[in-house]
Amino acid sequence: RKEVEQDPGPFNVPEGATVAFNCTYSNSASQSFFWYRQDCRKEPKLLMSVYSSGNEDGRFTAQLNRASQYISLLIRDSKLSDSATYLCVVNSGSNDYKLSFGAGTTVTVRA
Amino acid sequence: DTEVTQTPKHLVMGMTNKKSLKCEQHMGHRAMYWYKQKAKKPPELMFVYSYEKLSINESVPSRFSPECPNSSLLNLHLHALQPEDSALYLCASSQEAYLETQYFGPGTRLLVL
Repeated sequence: RKEVEQDPGPFNVPEGATVAFNCTYSNSASQSFFWYRQDCRKEPKLLMSVYSSGNEDGRFTAQLNRASQYISLLIRDSKLSDSATYLCVVNSGSNDYKLSFGAGTTVTVRA
Repeated sequence: DTEVTQTPKHLVMGMTNKKSLKCEQHMGHRAMYWYKQKAKKPPELMFVYSYEKLSINESVPSRFSPECPNSSLLNLHLHALQPEDSALYLCASSQEAYLETQYFGPGTRLLVL
């Protein structure tokens, strides 16, 4: 079983729509959770950290469900510029400095 | 300022060449990382440096040799690479290792002929 699993998509949505997707992780000891976005042929960029209480940053909302070991990302009022691959990133939960990356969920917002 | 810089942006090398990738950050971060990313795949960790000491080597072949001259710089020396080593090489840094947010540089796109 992969440490971090994501629905690869693609999610094709019209501008203004809401899109949401999840990521599951296998290590119950994991303590840090992140969403990164990666544009084609660019580096991953931190979108947001995910906190236990859930957090919101503008049109983006992240949730963490420790009991079911998944995190989610919701994008409201989608913009064309939101088209990207969203990487779910989870730390290994042990003291060895590793992050585990999901394979990414591709979102395409169309006009 | 969460900037990590990498040079060169692109590199083409033959299998007998020796080249180096460079990474620099001035955020005072004490952990630095090298990742390799193939197309449509997530980044794969290669090396971790913490306080200028190599902490993790993910069983990377010896043709890749990392070096951390000081807390701001990280190099990756390349020698006798294979065509399958062609990839995007990403450098990242974080305040400390473990639990910390990592910030990525723009990467070096490497082609081995």
